[in-house]
Amino acid sequence: DGGITQSPKYLFRKEGQNVTLSCEQNLNHDAMYWYRQDPGQGLRLIYYSQIVNDFQKGDIAEGYSVSREKKESFPLTVTSAQKNPTAFYLCASSIEGAKNTGELFFGEGSRLTVL
Amino acid sequence: GEDVEQSLFLSVREGDSSVINCTYTDSSSTYLYWYKQEPGAGLQLLTYIFSNMDMKQDQRLTVLLNKKDKHLSLRIADTQTGDSAIYFCAVSTDKLIFGTGTRLQVFP
Repeated sequence: DGGITQSPKYLFRKEGQNVTLSCEQNLNHDAMYWYRQDPGQGLRLIYYSQIVNDFQKGDIAEGYSVSREKKESFPLTVTSAQKNPTAFYLCASSIEGAKNTGELFFGEGSRLTVL
Repeated sequence: GEDVEQSLFLSVREGDSSVINCTYTDSSSTYLYWYKQEPGAGLQLLTYIFSNMDMKQDQRLTVLLNKKDKHLSLRIADTQTGDSAIYFCAVSTDKLIFGTGTRLQVFP
């Protein structure tokens, strides 16, 4: 079955530690995205990538980093520089850039809690 | 930049209709979307409407678009307990902007 897989589903981290969230897709989509979801604030775009080896900052990129070495994979690292990292993180992909159709396919999310 | 607003909560009785509203600011939006998020999961696309349409119906779902007032709504007929979820509208200009989400609670 085609889809997007995020792991881990739940993650706990101590302050000052970096953590990497995995996102893999087998939909052969060119574009991939990372969103952060906080209660009452909807989804905010962290980073996106429209092609392998290229990515752009979204609206709240500070304290985060990404890589896109393979078409299928778009891992997100939450660094110690992110001051308020506790949130629900969603990875998504689309056939092409969101401006064309906007149909995004989402993973099940990863909930990060900083202790 | 684009601003997309929704009310945070809606509570309806099972069998009634639900209407979830969304307002946006950028009149150049081309596609407008409704996504559904069930608890602890990602979002799934429910339906979308192109900006030159006023209405789109898909089984129990009806989308209404008022471009003059920049208002989008999603009507769910015969609301069921399985419809309980968070509903996001999203508008597409040069990028996709999501609203804050409306949590729909359906009670017996």
